[in-house]
Amino acid sequence: GAGVSQTPSNKVTEKGKYVELRCDPISGHTALYWYRQSLGQGPEFLIYFQGTGAADDSGLPNDRFFAVRPEGSVSTLKIQRTERGDSAVYLCASSLSGSDTDTQYFGPGTRLTVL
Amino acid sequence: GQNIDQPTEMTATEGAIVQINCTYQTSGFNGLFWYQQHAGEAPTFLSYNVLDGLEEKGRFSSFLSRSKGYSYLLLKELQMKDSASYLCAASADRGSTLGRLYFGRGTQLTVWP
Repeated sequence: GAGVSQTPSNKVTEKGKYVELRCDPISGHTALYWYRQSLGQGPEFLIYFQGTGAADDSGLPNDRFFAVRPEGSVSTLKIQRTERGDSAVYLCASSLSGSDTDTQYFGPGTRLTVL
Repeated sequence: GQNIDQPTEMTATEGAIVQINCTYQTSGFNGLFWYQQHAGEAPTFLSYNVLDGLEEKGRFSSFLSRSKGYSYLLLKELQMKDSASYLCAASADRGSTLGRLYFGRGTQLTVWP
């Protein structure tokens, strides 16, 4: 595709519910990243995939957060038992190979609001 | 990890030049990215520095000093559309953190007519 796409663009849910956020990276990009951005802050790293495997998941805040990328393309970030503190914009980015010199291209984000 | 520091806000007038500074920890550092983010939109890539010196790209230039742990983004001939948040981000040089970016909180630039 032309760029990284994310769905939904907005998600409002109630505390305790389960949500899934989807990311479709740039075609041919093997590396995929999830970040979380709170108001007035820079993006905060959550997890990095190289192909189908999570190469670095050390940024996930707790075990309520999980992400998959079963076929090495689309990724889903899953949040169980949502809490109000999970409200943020969830950004997905992809890069060609995951090298430290590669540019990461960001999607428009999913704004998650937990009531 | 990294501790990226940049000013929270800056203002300037149309046509002027503005310099946005960023400092980072040199230990484990590999390269420095600058992104522009308009309100409600995705960050978009502006520049990447891995070697010391100045990289010029049109109205935007970026500088890096590896020994000082310092970078700046220089914006010339400011236009109203340059009003945005400018994010400084460092990449790590080794190990399991290879690939992730450490972002500063962003510098909100407002350009006045």
